[in-house]
Amino acid sequence: DAEITQSPRHKITETGRQVTLACHQTWNHNNMFWYRQDLGHGLRLIHYSYGVQDTNKGEVSDGYSVSRSNTEDLPLTLESAASSQTSVYFCASSESQGVSTDTQYFGPGTRLTVL
Amino acid sequence: QKEVEQNSGPLSVPEGAIASLNCTYSDRVSQSFFWYRQYSGKSPELIMSIYSNGDKEDGRFTAQLNKASQYVSLLIRDSQPSDSATYLCAVTLGTGGFKTIFGAGTRLFVKA
Repeated sequence: DAEITQSPRHKITETGRQVTLACHQTWNHNNMFWYRQDLGHGLRLIHYSYGVQDTNKGEVSDGYSVSRSNTEDLPLTLESAASSQTSVYFCASSESQGVSTDTQYFGPGTRLTVL
Repeated sequence: QKEVEQNSGPLSVPEGAIASLNCTYSDRVSQSFFWYRQYSGKSPELIMSIYSNGDKEDGRFTAQLNKASQYVSLLIRDSQPSDSATYLCAVTLGTGGFKTIFGAGTRLFVKA
């Protein structure tokens, strides 16, 4: 069955370290998204991509980067982890390029703790 | 003003009652509206989507959209304890490349 996976599921790191969270989907979806979820804020968009080589900044992109070299993967990199980046991170994908009616399908999430 | 606002709750209803969840949004040209359910420690999953004014029913769930009032709601009839979760309202903006903005969610608790 097609799916979207994230790894690792849990990560503890130290301030200042570079961290990469993986997201892999097997639906062949064009669109991929990274969100963070914190109490009281709901899901906030970090970066998104509408296709290979396309990346765009979301509302909370500072300190994060992404690259899209193939359809299946959108890794999220924290260049220098900060305690404020402790959160649960969700990856999502949707089928059609630049279509507003698309349903997003979410991965299981990665819980990141920055000490 | 937040782009998508929801009452954080918790909203507590007895089993079998109707649960009413509300959401307002600020972008007048928003095009698509979604309700996601998220169980504790799990990822969000889509319950309903609605794109035009009026009601849309799917089983025990009814989504209602009023674009003039910038208001979308979700009704859950015959609420069950298994409906206890956080419900996220999501709105796809009409400008800026079809970004979807999520509300902070409303926690629903259905008492057996």
